[in-house]
Amino acid sequence: DADVTQTPRNRITKTGKRIMLECSQTKGHDRMYWYRQDPGLGLRLIYYSFDVKDINKGEISDGYSVSRQAQAKFSLSLESAIPNQTALYFCATSETGTSAETQYFGPGTRLLVL
Amino acid sequence: GQNIDQPTEMTATEGAIVQINCTYQTSGFNGLFWYQQHAGEAPTFLSYNVLDGLEEKGRFSSFLSRSKGYSYLLLKELQMKDSASYLCAVRDKAAGNKLTFGGGTRVLVKP
Repeated sequence: DADVTQTPRNRITKTGKRIMLECSQTKGHDRMYWYRQDPGLGLRLIYYSFDVKDINKGEISDGYSVSRQAQAKFSLSLESAIPNQTALYFCATSETGTSAETQYFGPGTRLLVL
Repeated sequence: GQNIDQPTEMTATEGAIVQINCTYQTSGFNGLFWYQQHAGEAPTFLSYNVLDGLEEKGRFSSFLSRSKGYSYLLLKELQMKDSASYLCAVRDKAAGNKLTFGGGTRVLVKP
């Protein structure tokens, strides 16, 4: 079983619609992240959470919101989707206190906004 | 802010060696990571360097020089399955220990 799962894996939506991407993990990690990936731009951080009561904006948070419902769940919402939010979205987790605090990624959600 | 540079694309022959360079500028360096990402898939962790020197893991090695703001990932005995993008990422204490990723280097292994 995958340690970090994302649903849906693919989504097509229309401009103006509200959508939610979900991330769950069984690794027991306290930290969770949402990134988007666009061709040639690498991974860019949208939001991150160091524990259930801690939510922080990343470098490109405008147009997005998040909810950390439990230690294992971190959801990303697009309140009113626009075409330039078409991208590949990744959730990641890491554990505080380990030497590297390596981030482990989910399989990704491919989002197309028409 | 941070600036991470790596080549966009490299081509190499099966069985050969390829070296992917990464240069960075950061005010509070706290570790450098290399990830492998096959097209359309999740990045997977390859290596972590926080001290100067070479870390070897099988066919893959990663080197760090903090004074030069420089790292490389060395892939030996290339196999066709090594065709992928390789992402360099730097953690910065001054930025709350978040990771900043380079744009990735796409490596194409030819027979």
